[in-house]
Amino acid sequence: GAVVSQHPSRVICKSGTSVKIECRSLDFQATTMFWYRQFPKKSLMLMATSNEGSKATYEQGVEKDKFLINHASLTLSTLTVTSAHPEDSSFYICSARSIGGGADGNTIYFGEGSWLTVV
Amino acid sequence: AQSVTQPDIHITVSEGASLELRCNYSYGATPYLFWYVQSPGQGLQLLLKYFSGDTLVQGIKGFEAEFKRSQSSFNLRKPSVHWSDAAEYFCAAAGKSTFGDGTTLTVKP
Repeated sequence: GAVVSQHPSRVICKSGTSVKIECRSLDFQATTMFWYRQFPKKSLMLMATSNEGSKATYEQGVEKDKFLINHASLTLSTLTVTSAHPEDSSFYICSARSIGGGADGNTIYFGEGSWLTVV
Repeated sequence: AQSVTQPDIHITVSEGASLELRCNYSYGATPYLFWYVQSPGQGLQLLLKYFSGDTLVQGIKGFEAEFKRSQSSFNLRKPSVHWSDAAEYFCAAAGKSTFGDGTTLTVKP
């Protein structure tokens, strides 16, 4: 199946600093990528939908100035957590929806997730 | 509004027993439907998907799912569960990437 790579897989940062998480579709193009946050033993919470070449669409309650999303190309989206605080510590997952036809078209593939710890 | 519901929060089955995880969707039209599995601390792995055509779809790891339009369901099944199947399972619909709340599967020896 298609591969979505997230980097870094684990990151520890100091409170007040910013941290960037990358999401790359390695062998397919994705005009749409999604960013989620997952708390322990909880489901995925969709944070925002990232569309290549345009502004991200944020879900209600998600601070767009704190969680900056950029989708600069058909294979890369980034999430930057600005002025991170301990309550931002979480597991962040991205997904990418493949474009085009064929068996893999419109399929959503997930990255491996990134653990963020803010100390 | 689009939604996906997984009625069972936690299911426990014995190793070797059959498994069925329930998923119901609410959409205006037939959505693209997916099942994913997540092991602790890991991302989500695609098990199978339904777009159209044959309503019984086969996936990886011996899983299958059946789309039933009349019941708005897309239940996941496996005839014989292995201990390694213990994980969190998510049903999802494409469009706005709508997810169910997940079902935790525990496998008893």
